[in-house]
Amino acid sequence: AQSVTQLDSHVSVSEGTPVLLRCNYSSSYSPSLFWYVQHPNKGLQLLLKYTSAATLVKGINGFEAEFKKSETSFHLTKPSAHMSDAAEYFCVVSPSGAGSYQLTFGKGTKLSVIP
Amino acid sequence: GAVVSQHPSRVICKSGTSVKIECRSLDFQATTMFWYRQFPKKSLMLMATSNEGSKATYEQGVEKDKFLINHASLTLSTLTVTSAHPEDSSFYICSARTGTGGAPRNEQFFGPGTRLTVL
Repeated sequence: AQSVTQLDSHVSVSEGTPVLLRCNYSSSYSPSLFWYVQHPNKGLQLLLKYTSAATLVKGINGFEAEFKKSETSFHLTKPSAHMSDAAEYFCVVSPSGAGSYQLTFGKGTKLSVIP
Repeated sequence: GAVVSQHPSRVICKSGTSVKIECRSLDFQATTMFWYRQFPKKSLMLMATSNEGSKATYEQGVEKDKFLINHASLTLSTLTVTSAHPEDSSFYICSARTGTGGAPRNEQFFGPGTRLTVL
């Protein structure tokens, strides 16, 4: 079984300040972890993914996330928020080995960026 | 690469009618496609998994006779909402998995979604 908990439903930051979106996971298997972004009425765009290589993963648009097995966390960060970062962010877990490849989504964190 | 399209992007229909949504993988062959439903301000809920040439596997609580899924080719899957009612109004998103090549087994590529409104 696997699950994802996004600890904040809404995060608000000022433009130019750091972003931290928190995610904890639970998985019976060695997991793959993803962060997706969704702009209003748009599909999902992959920001970054962890698939058992380097624990610090760099993604698009300046985002990065660190896989911490001891804390079962995969928090998403960005040094400086931009207005265009305002969107919904989803943390996703999936088994990385053979077997089910279904994705389990967190409930999402809405990021607001204040000018 | 790895682009998934959906058509239509937005549809409004009358209660009792059926609506078909198409999901296409444009530049790769999708051995497996997934259909999700997203309620306002909620996460994505997996509705069903379809493999090319075989019957879809529905998640618990999803009515297979109401949400008909056909995956007739490696690049096309369709979701038909039959006898639609206002409670079926939602954002439907498909995704596709390559299953071959260098992409991770569990990497999915998402379509832009279809907004269904049933009056």
